[in-house]
Amino acid sequence: QVQMQQSGPGLVKPSQTLSLTCAISGDSLSSSNASWSWIRQSPSRGLEWLGRTFYRAKWYNDFAPSVKGRININRDTAKNHFSLQLNSVTPEDTAVYYCARQGVLAAFDFWGRGTLVTVSS
Amino acid sequence: VMTQSPLFLPVTPGEPASISCRSSQSLLYTNGHNYLDWYLQKPGQSPHLLIYLGSNRASGVPDRFSGSGSGTDFTLKISRVEAEDVGVYYCMQGLHSPLTFGGGTKVEIK
Repeated sequence: QVQMQQSGPGLVKPSQTLSLTCAISGDSLSSSNASWSWIRQSPSRGLEWLGRTFYRAKWYNDFAPSVKGRININRDTAKNHFSLQLNSVTPEDTAVYYCARQGVLAAFDFWGRGTLVTVSS
Repeated sequence: VMTQSPLFLPVTPGEPASISCRSSQSLLYTNGHNYLDWYLQKPGQSPHLLIYLGSNRASGVPDRFSGSGSGTDFTLKISRVEAEDVGVYYCMQGLHSPLTFGGGTKVEIK
């Protein structure tokens, strides 16, 4: 059974960088049958896919236009985890952030439990 | 853009229920699959997968849930609603980047 354990601070100051990590167990970050995404949820924006990383003979990242230029997804294959970095945050980035896996079903079949991140001074 | 209706659906246990999802682009790929999924989010929980590729029930999902549709119009049906089915239902398209979710349909017991 795949499990995804999220960690990271719940409070970030405006203009700073939001950083969250998702540790994977039961699957490999380097699997050619999976993609690893960050998704957030807020009352104003609903569920919003932010981006993903995946390995298909080489590594790829794919980001939503709404955050492109501010987002990066880093990988640590040795620790089997991936991380979200969102720069220059504003209060509009306040949301519950989820990591999730797209497996062979091409759907998000496993999710982290979510991390509420509040952007406030 | 993914458009769901209705936004709110009061249901009676034992009665059927239906949720519609419309995409602004076709979700039918050349392999014959529709890249449309349905998720249910119960209060305080992460969303969980109900239906993938338009009409396939995920593991452990009761057979009272069914998905149908093709191209741009999709439907999630619950044949006989049970009390545990309350929550917010979301459709999501996985064919075009950025991946996008519908706005959600809140199902509550009357």
